[in-house]
Amino acid sequence: SAVISQKPSRDICQRGTSLTIQCQVDSQVTMMFWYRQQPGQSLTLIATANQGSEATYESGFVIDKFPISRPNLTFSTLTVSNMSPEDSSIYLCSVVTGAGELFFGEGSRLTVL
Amino acid sequence: GESVGLHLPTLSVQEGDNSIINCAYSNSASDYFIWYKQESGKGPQFIIDIRSNMDKRQGQRVTVLLNKTVKHLSLQIAATQPGDSAVYFCALAGGTSYGKLTFGQGTILTVHP
Repeated sequence: SAVISQKPSRDICQRGTSLTIQCQVDSQVTMMFWYRQQPGQSLTLIATANQGSEATYESGFVIDKFPISRPNLTFSTLTVSNMSPEDSSIYLCSVVTGAGELFFGEGSRLTVL
Repeated sequence: GESVGLHLPTLSVQEGDNSIINCAYSNSASDYFIWYKQESGKGPQFIIDIRSNMDKRQGQRVTVLLNKTVKHLSLQIAATQPGDSAVYFCALAGGTSYGKLTFGQGTILTVHP
């Protein structure tokens, strides 16, 4: 199994600012992903965080808005840039372990005023 | 593109009844299917999964049925308990995209004591 820690768990931010969310895993994992869950909706994949290279973004998501880092096999960050109220969501990190198991973090709940 | 939908957005049952949550998908290349439970303020919790070479899989009080002919997935919960109240999502992946999940819209299950 893998234990995923996301920080912050929640935050309230002002319009136009940026926030970086951290995802720390207690063991090395092969793959890391970032999802967004807008209020009352399902999860949507933002991007695959690639270790040592640029993230791979899904349609509708761009690096300038959601820059992602993954410096090693246990850590990744997602930044939500130049935030607007429409960015208010839960942002979730997920990982795939070497055993092929898939886990989600508890999410970071972001409110933009 | 790929889409995943649920037949019923809400489901209310009495404690002790059996619950059935349905999910339809469109991409026949999908070969891995997962059911998640999400409680308020938490990340998705794995319930059960099934691969496309199977049509039924059972866990503790849960059964997942897969009908590839009509691209339909269901989750059956036996003897539903108040603690089962949550939002349930189906998610699917396919081909080389293991870990990159497409989620259904979610069904809110409410269990009345």
